Amino acid sequence: KNQVEQSPQSLIILEGKNCTLQCNYTVSPFSNLRWYKQDTGRGPVSLTIMTFSENTKSNGRYTATLDADTKQSSLHITASQLSDSASYICVVSAFQTGANNLFFGTGTRLTVIP
Amino acid sequence: SAVISQKPSRDICQRGTSLTIQCQVDSQVTMMFWYRQQPGQSLTLIATANQGSEATYESGFVIDKFPISRPNLTFSTLTVSNMSPEDSSIYLCSVDNGVYEQYFGPGTRLTVT
Repeated sequence: KNQVEQSPQSLIILEGKNCTLQCNYTVSPFSNLRWYKQDTGRGPVSLTIMTFSENTKSNGRYTATLDADTKQSSLHITASQLSDSASYICVVSAFQTGANNLFFGTGTRLTVIP
Repeated sequence: SAVISQKPSRDICQRGTSLTIQCQVDSQVTMMFWYRQQPGQSLTLIATANQGSEATYESGFVIDKFPISRPNLTFSTLTVSNMSPEDSSIYLCSVDNGVYEQYFGPGTRLTVT
């Protein structure tokens, strides 16, 4: 069964600190993995997209890693800011016909406090 | 990139009534997607809307409950019919760029009392 699991479910960190969010998946056949940021009351916004051959991808203070062998990904946030408070959703795309080829995690709710 | 707007942004509705959600994209797209995000849950695809043809519904979603219109390449509507409290969710419109990028609207937060 195609599944995406994220941990932790929620996280509180002090402003300026780093944190790492985890994503494990069982989606097959694998196409790509995406991390989205969803602010409260807004739709998800893409942070990174990684294909099978990519191990690391950065977007400013966000760095995503992918281990396709162990089917794990992480999102590392450096020097957190108050504006990083949001839900972070891991989404894995499968190579399959039809539109429903995206599998969503339930997200990690990050709160950055001053 | 694509900019998506949705109306209304939120609504509180009574049980048994219907609500139509509008989705407008700033560019022409072939497929538009409608998702539901229940509290604490991941996004679930409701249906895919192609212009000029009937929407394709995912398992567990039916046209009588969630009728969809797609009159042109930049606009779509989703109606939530005969609402019950279980329909309280965020409803999101989405499009993709045909490769890997997927764009989401801001969502419509629906509360059914």
